[in-house]
This record gives sequence, structure tokens and C-alpha cells, in this order.
Amino acid sequence: DTAVSQTPKYLVTQMGNDKSIKCEQNLGHDTMYWYKQDSKKFLKIMFSYNNKELIINETVPNRFSPKSPDKAHLNLHINSLELGDSAVYFCASSQDGTAGYYGYTFGSGTRLTVV
Amino acid sequence: AQSVAQPEDQVNVAEGNPLTVKCTYSVSGNPYLFWYVQYPNRGLQFLLKYITGDNLVKGSYGFEAEFNKSQTSFHLKKPSALVSDSALYFCAVRAPASGGSYIPTFGRGTSLIVHP
Repeated sequence: DTAVSQTPKYLVTQMGNDKSIKCEQNLGHDTMYWYKQDSKKFLKIMFSYNNKELIINETVPNRFSPKSPDKAHLNLHINSLELGDSAVYFCASSQDGTAGYYGYTFGSGTRLTVV
Repeated sequence: AQSVAQPEDQVNVAEGNPLTVKCTYSVSGNPYLFWYVQYPNRGLQFLLKYITGDNLVKGSYGFEAEFNKSQTSFHLKKPSALVSDSALYFCAVRAPASGGSYIPTFGRGTSLIVHP
């Protein structure tokens, strides 16, 4: 069983479209995250949810909106996609609320290409 | 603010030789330190962590890392490299619970290439 699963794995779309990426974890973790990895492999935190509540919202355009229907799911919706949104988006979860002690479990990523 | 530096974009090593991937950090207080590995087209996988205790920590796949407080370093090591170790390695640091950002800051990654 995949611990943290993301769908889709690849997403190619045109500028201006709206798209969603889904994430589910079956680890029973309370906290989930979205990270963006750019073309130079730099990882940047975007959002963090603890038990469905938003606890971290970094400087991310408000075109990006996370949604957590329950603590096992954290979806990412992106409006009006731009070329600069092209990246790999990783979902992660952690057993503790801060990923400080147990570290993260990452999904395999969604490669978003905006054309 | 917390930060982490991985000074080498790429490390090349021959199979069977020891490998070291370097990491230095900056954080207020005693750090929580992590190493992750990313294989091509995969998510990051947790390798090992240092929170407290013995400065030498052992992790998955035969990797270990040494915490050096005076040099603010947490270098990743393996005594004998395998071709299958070729991947991207990320160091991460987090401030202790008493202050600073609770979210780990990742380095920019070091590509390890092990030659047969």
C-alpha cells in the first residue's frame, strides 16, 4: 500500500486553466504539507495542514488554494495557471505537527507543465 | 532564521569507495537535522535524523551521518558506495521546539553519482 499517494502523476495544461492535484495518506498522520520543487530541485514549503486546519501558508499566490476535507486528504487547487507554475509538487505527511521529530513521508510527486 | 548549505552540486565516487555528502547549517539553538534521498521521478525518502544523543547516527541503506556542533555540520557518509546509491540527496534543518520555524528548511540538494 502506498503511504502517501498523489494524483495525477503528470499534468500538462494550458495557461489560464484551473487544475487540481489530489493527495491522500493512509498513515494516520495528523499533518500534511504541499511542497513545490522547481527546475533546480529547490524545495519550498507552500502549505501545511494539521488535522484539517491550515497552520502554514507561505508566500504563495492566492491562485493556489489547499483544501483538506479530512485529515487523510489534502488537495491543491490552482486557478489561472501560469508558465511559472510549472514544477513538481510534492505532498507530504508527518506523524507530529511540525515534522521535527519523525520527519516527512513524501508522495511521489506531480509534475505540472503549463504550456 | 534557519538555513542549510550543501556546498557541492555534484559528488562523483567510484563504486566500493567511501562517500561523503556535505551539509552545514545555521539555526538558533540545538538543531534537528535530517537527510533525505530522492531517486529519479520519485518523492523524497527519509534516510536518517539527528535530534539528540550520539553524534553518529545510522540510517537506511547503510548510510550514516555525523553531527559536529562546533563546525555546524552534518555530513552524510557511507563506507562503500553502490551504483544504486546514485540519487539526489537533501539535508534539512529545523529549529528546536523552543523557537524558530517548525518547518524544516531543505538544502538545494547534492547529486551523487557512483561510477561502476
